[in-house]
Amino acid sequence: SAVISQKPSRDICQRGTSLTIQCQVDSQVTMMFWYRQQPGQSLTLIATANQGSEATYESGFVIDKFPISRPNLTFSTLTVSNMSPEDSSIYLCSVEFLQETQYFGPGTRLLVL
Amino acid sequence: QQQVKQSPQSLIVQKGGISIINCAYENTAFDYFPWYQQFPGKGPALLIAIRPDVSEKKEGRFTISFNKSAKQFSLHIMDSQPGDSATYFCAASRIQGAQKLVFGQGTRLTINP
Repeated sequence: SAVISQKPSRDICQRGTSLTIQCQVDSQVTMMFWYRQQPGQSLTLIATANQGSEATYESGFVIDKFPISRPNLTFSTLTVSNMSPEDSSIYLCSVEFLQETQYFGPGTRLLVL
Repeated sequence: QQQVKQSPQSLIVQKGGISIINCAYENTAFDYFPWYQQFPGKGPALLIAIRPDVSEKKEGRFTISFNKSAKQFSLHIMDSQPGDSATYFCAASRIQGAQKLVFGQGTRLTINP
C-alpha cells in the first residue's frame, strides 16, 4: 500500500481567502485524485490530478475555484480559492495503486468563517 | 446512471451480531466495487473489494456478496465488535482508465457492547 500525508491537517480561514493543501505519497503513483467530503456527507470527486498536464475536473468543479498542481509522481496540491463558508469540508487526496486499489490520505479539515 | 445507492443510513447492532449494509448501482460498466471504513477524524480506509466475476469474497469477519443481475452488492460483518463502529461507504468504478470512484451515501454503524 501507499503512505499518504496531507498538510495542513486542519485550518480555519476567513471568507475570501485561499488555502493550498498539499498531498505527498511515499512512492511514485500514476493517478492522484482530490475529493471533497462535506460535513456528515459522502465523498465527491473534484478532479483527477494529471502529472505534467492540466487536471481533469468533474461536473460542478472548475479550475478557477480549485486549481490543482501535479509537478511529479509523488506530490500534488489543491487550492481552494476565494473561500466561502460553503467550502467548509474535508478535502481528501487519494492515489491509485496497482491499477485498481485506491488509498486515501488523512484529509484536511477546513472551516471557513 | 452514475449513482450508487446505499442503505441503511444508520445501523445499530449488538455485539456479536451480524451487520449488513446494502448498495445498488446503475451503471453496468462498473467493474470494481470496494468498501471503505471511516473513523471520525480519519480518511477512508479500504476494507475489502470485489470484481463482478465472483459472487462472494471473504476476508476475516468481512464478506462482500455480489449479485450482478440485480446490480447489488452488500457488506456483511460477522461477530460485530464495538471497534467496528464507524461509517462505511460502498463505491464503484471502472478499472480501465482513470479509476473514478462513485461513493454511496454512507452508513453509520454502531455496535452496542
